[in-house]
Amino acid sequence: AQSVTQLDSHVSVSEGTPVLLRCNYSSSYSPSLFWYVQHPNKGLQLLLKYTSAATLVKGINGFEAEFKKSETSFHLTKPSAHMSDAAEYFCVVSVLVNTDKLIFGTGTRLQVFP
Amino acid sequence: DTEVTQTPKHLVMGMTNKKSLKCEQHMGHRAMYWYKQKAKKPPELMFVYSYEKLSINESVPSRFSPECPNSSLLNLHLHALQPEDSALYLCASSQDFPGSSYEQYFGPGTRLTVT
Repeated sequence: AQSVTQLDSHVSVSEGTPVLLRCNYSSSYSPSLFWYVQHPNKGLQLLLKYTSAATLVKGINGFEAEFKKSETSFHLTKPSAHMSDAAEYFCVVSVLVNTDKLIFGTGTRLQVFP
Repeated sequence: DTEVTQTPKHLVMGMTNKKSLKCEQHMGHRAMYWYKQKAKKPPELMFVYSYEKLSINESVPSRFSPECPNSSLLNLHLHALQPEDSALYLCASSQDFPGSSYEQYFGPGTRLTVT
């Protein structure tokens, strides 16, 4: 079965410090992986996606993620947090098995302190 | 233009009312989705339309009735809802379905409150 685990429900950082949001996945097939961000009372915005090309994926707003098959991880990083990064982040896996659906992690809330 | 629009932004309805949520995209996407999102939870898939045909119904109660009038529009008709149906309803679209590599683009959502 396919699944995704976000290891931290809540991450707090100071503005200007690095961000690390952790995600592990489980899949019997080659997955596509996504990170989405959701600001309060807003829809989800795609940050980046991995689809078996380069293992280091660059996204919008300075975020990037590295696909590590040996560790079944897809952690999201940013070198320097900005106040506007405060939001909910979802790691998502998509696997083409019978029905093609997105499987969402439970989310990580990122707080950024001044 | 990678925008999915949803109307209304907010909706308050009684349990005997009939209302509709609307979603529109002009990206030429052939798959459209309805999700329900409760507070502090990830979105839950409700329905998938592919090429204007219903492909997936995630055992959603019949008080929710989806409709896809054309490739750009998706409606969700609501009737006799319960207070526990109060949530953020998100619409999304993707280039095709199935297609695990196709990202989904989400609208801003409709905040529904059932009184």
